[in-house]
Amino acid sequence: QQKVQQSPESLTVSEGAMASLNCTFSDRSSDNFRWYRQHSGKGLEVLVSIFSDGEKEEGSFTAHLNRASLHVFLHIREPQPSDSALYLCAVRGSNYKLTFGKGTLLTVTP
Amino acid sequence: EAAVTQSPRNKVAVTGGKVTLSCNQTNNHNNMYWYRQDTGHGLRLIHYSYGAGSTEKGDIPDGYKASRPSQENFSLILELATPSQTSVYFCASGDQGISDYTFGSGTRLLVI
Repeated sequence: QQKVQQSPESLTVSEGAMASLNCTFSDRSSDNFRWYRQHSGKGLEVLVSIFSDGEKEEGSFTAHLNRASLHVFLHIREPQPSDSALYLCAVRGSNYKLTFGKGTLLTVTP
Repeated sequence: EAAVTQSPRNKVAVTGGKVTLSCNQTNNHNNMYWYRQDTGHGLRLIHYSYGAGSTEKGDIPDGYKASRPSQENFSLILELATPSQTSVYFCASGDQGISDYTFGSGTRLLVI
C-alpha cells in the first residue's frame, strides 16, 4: 500500500521568503505527483502536476521530483499572506489511485 | 464546463440511520473516487470505480458501500451511520491516460 508522508506538519514564513515543503512516497511505480492547496473550509486547488524527474514551474509554485530518493518537493516563491493554507501532496500509484499525505499547514506572516 | 457535483453540501444524520451521498460528473471520466478528510489525516480513499457497474474497495472501506449505476453517477452509502463517520467527503473523477483529477466541493456530514 502506498505511503505518502509530508513534512513539516506546519510551517511559518515571512511574506516574500521562500517556502519549501517536502513529500516522500513509497511506491516506485508511481507515475504522477501533484500538489494541491486547500484554504480553510474550501475545496482542493491543484497547483502543479509533474510526471518526470526534474522541475516543473507553475507561476510561483515549483515542483521538484527525484524518483531515486522517493521525494517530491514544492517550493513557493515570494509567498503572500493569501497563500496561507493547507498544502497536500498526492501521488498516483498502481490502479490509478491517488494517495494523499496528511498535509503541511503553511502560514505566511506580513 | 466539465465538473463534479456533490449533493448534499451539508447533511446531519442520526446514529444508525442510512445516509447516501451523491456525486455526478460531466467529464466523461471512467474512474470515480470517494475520499474522506479529517484533521490530521489528509484525504483517505474509501471506494473507487473504473466504470458503470464496478466498485472497488479503497484504503478505508469499512462501514461504507458504493454504487456506480452509470458513467456519470457514483454514490457513497452509509447503511448504519456512526458518529465516527462525521467528516468531509470529497468525490473525484479521473482517467487512466489523463493527468487531471477533478474534485467536487465536498459534503460535510455530521452524525449525531
